[in-house]
This record gives sequence, C-alpha cells and structure tokens, in this order.
Amino acid sequence: DAGVTQSPTHLIKTRGQQVTLRCSPKSGHDTVSWYQQALGQGPQFIFQYYEEEERQRGNFPDRFSGHQYPNYSSELNVNALLLGDSALYLCASSSTRNNSPLHFGNGTRLTVT
Amino acid sequence: AQKITQTQPGMFVQEKEAVTLDCTYDTSDPSYGLFWYKQPSSGEMIFLIYQGSYDQQNATEGRYSLNFQKARKSANLVISASQLGDSAMYFCAMREGGYSGGGADGLTFGKGTHLIIQP
Repeated sequence: DAGVTQSPTHLIKTRGQQVTLRCSPKSGHDTVSWYQQALGQGPQFIFQYYEEEERQRGNFPDRFSGHQYPNYSSELNVNALLLGDSALYLCASSSTRNNSPLHFGNGTRLTVT
Repeated sequence: AQKITQTQPGMFVQEKEAVTLDCTYDTSDPSYGLFWYKQPSSGEMIFLIYQGSYDQQNATEGRYSLNFQKARKSANLVISASQLGDSAMYFCAMREGGYSGGGADGLTFGKGTHLIIQP
C-alpha cells in the first residue's frame, strides 16, 4: 500500500520562475493538503483540495495555486518565485470517509537562487 | 498570539529514560483536535498520536502517551523507554472545529522540539 508520494524530491529554481510540485495521495484518500516548512520552523498550511476544488486556504498569496485531478492527485504551483519561497513543501492526504489523521509525504525541497 | 507553543527547542535524553515534550495551545473553539508528529531527518512527518477535545481519557499509542490537561490547555507528549531511533524533530499540531471525517481544516503546527537520544 503506497503512502503519499511527492515529486520531485529536490528542485532548484531562479527568482521569478514558476514551479510545479506533484503529489499522489495515499490509496483510499480523497483529500490533499499542502504545507510549506521553512528551515527550523513547523509546517504552515497553504491550502486543501477536495473534489477537485480548493476548500480552505492558509495565509499565502495568490502566487500559490493548486489543482486536484479526478484520481485525487494534486499539484502545487508557485509563480514569480522569491528567495523566501525556499522551503520543504509537504503534501498530506486524508479521507473524508473516516477520522484518519493526515499522512504526509517526504516532501519536495525547493531552493530558489 | 501563537496557537501552538513548544517551549523546548532541543532536548538531550539518555537512552531508556522517559521523556516529556511540552505543548500548550490556544483556542476559543470548544471542539478541536491535538496531534503529535515526528519528523526524522528524511523530512517525512510521521503521525504519532491524536487527542480530541471531548475525549475523556488520555490517548496512548504504544510507547507514546499524551498528557492532556484541558484546563491548562496543555497536551504534552510522553515517550516511555526512549530509543536511539526516537531522535528526531517532534511537532505538536492542532485542528480547530469539528473533526468530521478527516477532510477538515488545516493543521496549525508549533515550531517543534529537536529530541536527541544519547546512548
């Protein structure tokens, strides 16, 4: 039973560029959330997708956008990258059919130069 | 005000000793959930234990237990008989509102405690 998988594991981009991160949820899960974890900090909630729609959003600018596909996989897009966007981006999945806790992937380490 | 406060940036503990990681929270919502996650150097957040605000008993999962003191708004994690593999970052997190079927609100995390188990 595959857990949450994220790709790529590492990414280096230049300021002003755009980036897309991908996530496949754990089997049986239908909800995907994205978190940003800066070095030495706890993760911060970006947004959550369910039924292909953004259901809740944290305190992040519109440069951060996402998508969920019919197979429940999800993408996180960040436009006009800033140096401060360098972080570990974590994807988490859960199920609306039971009280399961969030299951996290290993994350994508994004470095903006 | 921070919603989740972890006051111990780092802790050193001898192997086989018990360890308590502190967590206090702030919410005016009567319905909430408290979580502890472990994050090894690999980056993955591993779920350890959950406590609901209406749960009458403290949660336990193997060597992990949660010392839930509602009036003090604290949810400390206790690890019994620590092992070298317990060395990692530990995060306390909270979800406010009804915990309805998993697909609920985003978690608010604390800044974490770096636990190092010494042989």
